[in-house]
Amino acid sequence: DTGVSQDPRHKITKRGQNVTFRCDPISEHNRLYWYRQTLGQGPEFLTYFQNEAQLEKSRLLSDRFSAERPKGSFSTLEIQRTEQGDSAMYLCASSLSKGATEAFFGQGTRLTVV
Amino acid sequence: SQQGEEDPQALSIQEGENATMNCSYKTSINNLQWYRQNSGRGLVHLILIRSNEREKHSGRLRVTLDTSKKSSSLLITASRAADTASYFCATDAGTNAGKSTFGDGTTLTVKP
Repeated sequence: DTGVSQDPRHKITKRGQNVTFRCDPISEHNRLYWYRQTLGQGPEFLTYFQNEAQLEKSRLLSDRFSAERPKGSFSTLEIQRTEQGDSAMYLCASSLSKGATEAFFGQGTRLTVV
Repeated sequence: SQQGEEDPQALSIQEGENATMNCSYKTSINNLQWYRQNSGRGLVHLILIRSNEREKHSGRLRVTLDTSKKSSSLLITASRAADTASYFCATDAGTNAGKSTFGDGTTLTVKP
């Protein structure tokens, strides 16, 4: 297994455009998390899934953001009508549910909204 | 707002020296974890310490936890240039390993 994979690694988009990011977790992990990290800050929790169910969403996840994990494997995070304030690194992580002591992070997708 | 605060925000040392970073947090926790992040990359898990533990070692890393003071420290001994990175503490209050609250990190520079 190659770990958590995120695609694309970098995305530059114009304000107002929609963007979609993909995360492929470690195959046996049934929990998947999305975080956002702005420059000079620590990651902030956005949402998480157990299998295909989205169990928690942060208030940071405005209605322009939507995340899915349709078959309980990979996940997508879509941002509609992007704003400059959406520029950040979007990190995905996965873990086992029972007895897990750590989550494994992907390399992130860096979004720049111009 | 973030749960944890790391101190110092930035630390610069010579190779071979020890580096100590501190983390304070606000609410009761179940676990505290330390992560490393190289510039523009993802997070690498370093060590987890549970709320009923006081000290933990892993290679050149030593982590302490003082729940009465709501603080933790990460000591890296005999630092190397490759240790140059940002270090974050992250706390969780439940049994969800991936749902953590991160501090803003300490940026460590190790000069060769």
